[in-house]
Amino acid sequence: GEDVEQSLFLSVREGDSSVINCTYTDSSSTYLYWYKQEPGAGLQLLTYIFSNMDMKQDQRLTVLLNKKDKHLSLRIADTQTGDSAIYFCAESYSGGGADGLTFGKGTHLIIQP
Amino acid sequence: GAVVSQHPSWVICKSGTSVKIECRSLDFQATTMFWYRQFPKQSLMLMATSNEGSKATYEQGVEKDKFLINHASLTLSTLTVTSAHPEDSSFYICSASSGTRLITFGSGTRLTVV
Repeated sequence: GEDVEQSLFLSVREGDSSVINCTYTDSSSTYLYWYKQEPGAGLQLLTYIFSNMDMKQDQRLTVLLNKKDKHLSLRIADTQTGDSAIYFCAESYSGGGADGLTFGKGTHLIIQP
Repeated sequence: GAVVSQHPSWVICKSGTSVKIECRSLDFQATTMFWYRQFPKQSLMLMATSNEGSKATYEQGVEKDKFLINHASLTLSTLTVTSAHPEDSSFYICSASSGTRLITFGSGTRLTVV
């Protein structure tokens, strides 16, 4: 069955880069997402990548995809206190919404001053 | 664009009562809506998928008589937790898609059953 794995916690110093890793098992995954969830709030789509891409950059965010190893990472440059949240990796076969997403358990990003 | 509004944000109800949660797409027509449940410190689990005008498709292990889903229009889906019990306390999140855009999530509903 489908499975998405992430580390539960990541602690970084303010100003450093954060790298959150994710592995998935479904080789038919077409769309891979990173969502941010602040306490008590819904999910905010940060970025996504198609499976035929290796990298995508959007301001402070860089997504790297190694399709061979089914490994996805999210790099946040110059991490700020406002980046403190839970980051979910998710995958789907159909990005347009024909099916739901499969989520990892989320990585708690903790920012040290 | 692509805003999904979910209400209420939080609700406390007595055991045995029913609670209705609304999910609205404000600026697009949502042909498909999804309902997720999130337990504390856990990931989101897909409960059901609903397409406008047809019956919802429930994931394995989700009781369809317990969690009633109605998707009567292209902008509104509702989830009713019937005869709620403390174990139903959770964070429920909806998401919506028009079929040509990526999925947009609501802000979630914190349900506490006492």
